Amino acid sequence: GAVVSQHPSWVICKSGTSVKIECRSLDFQATTMFWYRQFPKQSLMLMATSNEGSKATYEQGVEKDKFLINHASLTLSTLTVTSAHPEDSSFYICSASDRGKTDTQYFGPGTRLTVL
Amino acid sequence: AQTVTQSQPEMSVQEAETVTLSCTYDTSESDYYLFWYKQPPSRQMILVIRQEAYKQQNATENRFSVNFQKAAKSFSLKISDSQLGDAAMYFCALGGGSEKLVFGKGMKLTVNP
Repeated sequence: GAVVSQHPSWVICKSGTSVKIECRSLDFQATTMFWYRQFPKQSLMLMATSNEGSKATYEQGVEKDKFLINHASLTLSTLTVTSAHPEDSSFYICSASDRGKTDTQYFGPGTRLTVL
Repeated sequence: AQTVTQSQPEMSVQEAETVTLSCTYDTSESDYYLFWYKQPPSRQMILVIRQEAYKQQNATENRFSVNFQKAAKSFSLKISDSQLGDAAMYFCALGGGSEKLVFGKGMKLTVNP
């Protein structure tokens, strides 16, 4: 139980294009989903918190117009990197908390984004 | 502000032996959760163990156990009978659920055969 998937697992795009990453909770309803960014050999950096049906809450320093987050249902959240640039290349990870067991976050396998 | 400190960036252990990973934290909350996550080379974050702050009993999951010292704000992870598959980055985290997690910087564990 408590499986979270992410799609795609890796993506390469050209500078200036937009990329959408999906995060799905497969066997539970997610009250809240989180988006993280991880640089090589570093810890996870929280980008934003999204609750189903409401606007995401972004961490300080994260551009909300660049990183668009939509949490349209209790099992799906999407992160869209708009007008991507090489500095946006990173490993993006989502997590979800189980609506029935809200004290634990379960993580997706991550998406490696490379912007050329 | 909540903080999590993992002071040891790397550790190594011989297969079948025991190793303890340290973590200290700071929070003004009275009710919170503590977690250890493992991130192997695949980069999938895997929950190892969780501890509810209001529970005095230390959590245990098979070969993994914690030493939770609430007054000292310490939350160490003990891995018994270490296996090659335990080699990974280990992250201590504070918070949980609908509240955001605060992570430590992580510690790389190497298991020597």
